[in-house]
Amino acid sequence: DQQVKQNSPSLSVQEGRISILNCDYTNSMFDYFLWYKKYPAEGPTFLISISSIKDKNEDGRFTVFLNKSAKHLSLHIVPSQPGDSAVYFCAASRDSNYQLIWGAGTKLIIKP
Amino acid sequence: SQTIHQWPATLVQPVGSPLSLECTVEGTSNPNLYWYRQAAGRGLQLLFYSVGIGQISSEVPQNLSASRPQDRQFILSSKKLLLSDSGFYLCAWTIRVRTEAFFGQGTRLTVV
Repeated sequence: DQQVKQNSPSLSVQEGRISILNCDYTNSMFDYFLWYKKYPAEGPTFLISISSIKDKNEDGRFTVFLNKSAKHLSLHIVPSQPGDSAVYFCAASRDSNYQLIWGAGTKLIIKP
Repeated sequence: SQTIHQWPATLVQPVGSPLSLECTVEGTSNPNLYWYRQAAGRGLQLLFYSVGIGQISSEVPQNLSASRPQDRQFILSSKKLLLSDSGFYLCAWTIRVRTEAFFGQGTRLTVV
């Protein structure tokens, strides 16, 4: 049972436009969500996180939105840059649990 | 600053051979350590985590084992590799539960 889903395996966006990456989850006990970026043959790097007590967190070009009633979160990148081309993973956790549950990732391609 | 070292970067091993992947963390004490595997087209799967020396928790029963002989050293092993053990293995650390994880560069293991 996939508790964290990223339904778009890939996404192509024009440079300078907004990239929106989506993530859905099924477990209502999740209360902490993270986004990671991964280049080929490298480990993921942390981008941004959000706690369930918030519905928005912003860091520079990156904004994460959380809709608890829909069990949905999204990552907005504005404006998109060529260096943003990578695979983006969302992950979720619940308190008292060490494990992060990961989505399968979305490959973002920024076109010049 | 904290850094994490993981080696080797790539490894090709025959079926039935042993495995030893090593991960070390610098610049922090008593980290939580993790081994993940990423199979092609899938998200990250937590294999093992450790909250202290000699303390190993296994998330997925399989052909692999982990050990933590020192505070900042985490080793992933197998006595006999299977073809299904092929994948991208990642070591990670967190300073506390439910904070962002920092990943090593990963090891691409191909079992032939």
